[in-house]
Amino acid sequence: DVKVTQSSRYLVKRTGEKVFLECVQDMDHENMFWYRQDPGLGLRLIYFSYDVKMKEKGDIPEGYSVSREKKERFSLILESASTNQTSMYLCASGLGGRAYGYTFGSGTRLTVV
Amino acid sequence: KNQVEQSPQSLIILEGKNCTLQCNYTVSPFSNLRWYKQDTGRGPVSLTIMTFSENTKSNGRYTATLDADTKQSSLHITASQLSDSASYICVVSARLEGGADGLTFGKGTHLIIQP
Repeated sequence: DVKVTQSSRYLVKRTGEKVFLECVQDMDHENMFWYRQDPGLGLRLIYFSYDVKMKEKGDIPEGYSVSREKKERFSLILESASTNQTSMYLCASGLGGRAYGYTFGSGTRLTVV
Repeated sequence: KNQVEQSPQSLIILEGKNCTLQCNYTVSPFSNLRWYKQDTGRGPVSLTIMTFSENTKSNGRYTATLDADTKQSSLHITASQLSDSASYICVVSARLEGGADGLTFGKGTHLIIQP
C-alpha cells in the first residue's frame, strides 16, 4: 500500500513563527498536493507539484510556500504563521491520470496561538 | 468553474439500515470520480475510483455509481455499521495542463449511525 506520512499529527505554534509541515510518500508518485480543511469549507488546495522542483499555486496560496527538492518529499512552509492559518493540513500524492487514485496522509492539526 | 455538490449535508440512520449519498458535479474535462471516507481527525481514505466508462464499482458494503451523462454519482452503503459513522467526500478530477489532475472536492456528507 502507498504510504503518505506527515511528520506531525498535532502542532502548536506562535503567531509570527516560521512553520514547516513535511510530507513524504514512498511510491515514487509524480504528483503531490497540500490542502487545508476547515469546517463548512471542505478541502481547499494550497499548492501542488507535478515534478521535482515544480510547483503550482492552488486556490489559496497566500501566506504559504512549498518546496519539492526530492520526488518523495513535499514541504509546506508558513513563512509567518497567523491565527487564521489554524486548520487541518492534509498532504496527498498520486500518479495522476484516469485510472489512478490519490492517497492522503493522516493530517496535521495546526493551532496558531 | 468546477464544482462538486453533495447531498445531504448530514444524515442519521439506524444501524443495519441502508443509505445513499449523492454527488453532482460540473467538472471539465472529466478524468475520474472518487469517494473517500474520512473519520474524525484523520485523513481521507479512498473507497472507490471510477473513470468515464465505468458506471458502478463496489468495495465491500459500499457501492458507487456514476452517470457521466447527467454528471451524477451516488454512494450506497448496505447494512450500515457503527464504524460507518464518518464524513464521505466526493472528489472529481479534471486533467490539467502539465499532466497533473485538478481535484475538486465536495464538502462531504456527515453520516452518523445510531445503535
